[in-house]
Parts: sequence; C-alpha cells; structure tokens
Amino acid sequence: AQSVSQHNHHVILSEAASLELGCNYSYGGTVNLFWYVQYPGQHLQLLLKYFSGDPLVKGIKGFEAEFIKSKFSFNLRKPSVQWSDTAEYFCAVTPSGGYNKLIFGAGTRLAVHP
Amino acid sequence: NAGVTQTPKFQVLKTGQSMTLQCAQDMNHNSMYWYRQDPGMGLRLIYYSASEGTTDKGEVPNGYNVSRLNKREFSLRLESAAPSQTSVYFCASSDGPGSQPQHFGDGTRLSIL
Repeated sequence: AQSVSQHNHHVILSEAASLELGCNYSYGGTVNLFWYVQYPGQHLQLLLKYFSGDPLVKGIKGFEAEFIKSKFSFNLRKPSVQWSDTAEYFCAVTPSGGYNKLIFGAGTRLAVHP
Repeated sequence: NAGVTQTPKFQVLKTGQSMTLQCAQDMNHNSMYWYRQDPGMGLRLIYYSASEGTTDKGEVPNGYNVSRLNKREFSLRLESAAPSQTSVYFCASSDGPGSQPQHFGDGTRLSIL
C-alpha cells in the first residue's frame, strides 16, 4: 500500500533559521507530490506541487521542495523562517494519471519563536 | 468566491445520534472528498466522489455514508455516532484527476460523547 512518512513530528526554530522538513513516500510508479500547510484554526492550503519537469519546485511564501526520485523523497525547505510560518505541514502523494486520491503524511508541527 | 463551504463548524453529539455534515463548492469542480483529521495521523480519506452521480470508499469508510446531491454538494452522514468518530472533518474538491490540487473547506469539529 502507498504511504507517506514525515520524519519530524515537531520542529522548533528561531526566526531566521533555515528549515528542512523530510518527506518520503512508498510507491513504485510515477507520482504527483504536494505540500500543504495548515495555519492554526484554518483549513489546508496548497504550498507547492510537483507533477513533472524540474525537480526543484518553488511555492508560495518562499518555500521550495526538491523531488529526488532515487530516494523517493520530496523535502520542503525555506532558507529563513518567520514567526508567521508557525503551522502544521503535510506532505501528500497521488499516483500520476490516476484518480486524485491523496495519501497524506502524519504532518509536522512547526513552531517558530521570535 | 467562497470556495468550499462546510456546515456546521462545530457539533457535539451523543453516542448513537445521527448527523449529516454538509459541503458545497462553487468552483464547478467535478471531484469532491471527505477526510477526517486526527492528531498524529494526518488526513485520511473517508469517501470520495469522482463526478456527479458516483461515490467510492476511501481508506476509512466504516460508520459513514455519503451522498453526492448534485455537482456542488457532497454530504457525509453518521448514522449512529460513536466516540471513535470524534474528529475534525474536512471536505475538499478538485477539478478532476491526478494533477489538480484539492481545495479544502474550513472543517467541522465533531465531538461525540
């Protein structure tokens, strides 16, 4: 069965620190990959997505992610976090070309201290 | 543009009561989904509807039923609520398969006593 693993459940950073959140998936075929963010008390919002092409994708608010096919990974990065980045981050995957049934990771809760 | 609208936002039920969660989208999307979100488990798909007139089970369908009333609306029903169904429920929609991102509603926080 397909699955998504997010290695860090809780991350605490100071403002201006760099961020990298790990995401690995298990699926043998071609996939579409997503990162969603959920700010406190809000719904999930799309940060960025990868379908094909350049494995380094840029999203909103200065976030980027790199797809490494050989490692089945899609890690999220941001060079310098802000207090407003405090949120929960979810990695999700769906097989390419098939029906859009997203498989989510358990989420990483990020707290950024001023 | 409201996007995906869920009602109610909060609800408390007693064990054994029934309830329908409502979801409507105004983006003319073909596909709609119901998820539940539990601490440490991310979001799990309960049911989905690929298009108007079709519904299919997701990862955790037991104890739930759905109705795709029309293209806009997709409801989730708990026939006999159980404490294990205490969760936050999210509805989402997307414009077709695979590559299209899903748009989420604000969620319904449901507590079952």
